[in-house]
Amino acid sequence: AQTVTQSQPEMSVQEAETVTLSCTYDTSENNYYLFWYKQPPSRQMILVIRQEAYKQQNATENRFSVNFQKAAKSFSLKISDSQLGDTAMYFCAFMRNKLVFGAGTILRVKS
Amino acid sequence: DGGITQSPKYLFRKEGQNVTLSCEQNLNHDAMYWYRQDPGQGLRLIYYSQIVNDFQKGDIAEGYSVSREKKESFPLTVTSAQKNPTAFYLCASRETGNTGELFFGEGSRLTVL
Repeated sequence: AQTVTQSQPEMSVQEAETVTLSCTYDTSENNYYLFWYKQPPSRQMILVIRQEAYKQQNATENRFSVNFQKAAKSFSLKISDSQLGDTAMYFCAFMRNKLVFGAGTILRVKS
Repeated sequence: DGGITQSPKYLFRKEGQNVTLSCEQNLNHDAMYWYRQDPGQGLRLIYYSQIVNDFQKGDIAEGYSVSREKKESFPLTVTSAQKNPTAFYLCASRETGNTGELFFGEGSRLTVL
């Protein structure tokens, strides 16, 4: 069974600075997808970024980028120029036939 | 607008009662999912369905039941057998074969009194 581990329960960052959230996963599959979802206080799940395992190039979406290390089964999220609106719970997730989530990291952006 | 609608948003139930949470999508997605979220925790998969009239148990299916009679609907029943049903429930859907992104509803908060 696939598992996803987020080792940082909480993190803080100053506005305008950069922060990296860690994620590791365990699978025997070769083809899969990885995601970062954001859950603000409204509790709506919002897709931040996705990565296809067969693509070597790291995905980038504006201020958000990932460092995908397939051999190490690592998928970290970097948020550049942090904004107050980035304050949320962030979930790393693995998809094959079903989406498996990590426990989440609470990110607080401070002014 | 296309999306996923969950209802009710808030629900209170007495112990021993069954309750059904509604999930409707007009995205024409094949697959639908139910997740449970407890405070400060991640999402755990209850049930999922990849096609009409078929569904599979997730990691925490005990005390729950589902049906998938129509493509757009995937209701979840929380039965009296569920020992600790107070939680936030999220429904999601995706189009099988695409990039795999799940689209989520706004959730239903169930409280057992």
